[in-house]
Amino acid sequence: AQSVTQLGSHVSVSEGALVLLRCNYSSSVPPYLFWYVQYPNQGLQLLLKYTSAATLVKGINGFEAEFKKSETSFHLTKPSAHMSDAAEYFCAVSDRAQAGTALIFGKGTTLSVSS
Amino acid sequence: KAGVTQTPRYLIKTRGQQVTLSCSPISGHRSVSWYQQTPGQGLQFLFEYFSETQRNKGNFPGRFSGRQFSNSRSEMNVSTLELGDSALYLCASSLEAGNYGYTFGSGTRLTVV
Repeated sequence: AQSVTQLGSHVSVSEGALVLLRCNYSSSVPPYLFWYVQYPNQGLQLLLKYTSAATLVKGINGFEAEFKKSETSFHLTKPSAHMSDAAEYFCAVSDRAQAGTALIFGKGTTLSVSS
Repeated sequence: KAGVTQTPRYLIKTRGQQVTLSCSPISGHRSVSWYQQTPGQGLQFLFEYFSETQRNKGNFPGRFSGRQFSNSRSEMNVSTLELGDSALYLCASSLEAGNYGYTFGSGTRLTVV
């Protein structure tokens, strides 16, 4: 069965610092991978997705993620944190081989940004 | 274009009652999925509908049900509400089968008292 592990339930950075949110997946075949962001009292917004094109995926708001098959990882990074990046971030996986397969989400990482 | 619209935004129900939540997908999207979000269990898949057919169902009791109409709008129903059903219920829509550009709505916050 597929699963997603997000290392660190809470990450704190200073404004302008590098953001690194970790995600490891478990899947028998290379899956589709996603990062979503959730602001308080809102739904999920897609930051980026990996669907087997380039392994380095660029998303919105300056975020990017690199798919590393050998490490089964899909870590999210941003070179310089902004106060507005403070939110909860979710990594998700789905089975590319099966239409209608659900997104399996990690437990989420709360990002705090201090000035 | 309009995003995914979920109504109502907030709902308070009493144990034992039933509730119906509504989701209007982005125009042209034919796939609608539902997720439950709680602090303890996180985001969990409920079910997905495509062209009025349920394609996939998560591990939830039969009290949770859904349907999709010919205009792609979807409803989910929870009968005999329990305190543990208190959650944020999120709906997501996608263009078609196999397209994983899911767009989420803002959710319905259900509180069971």
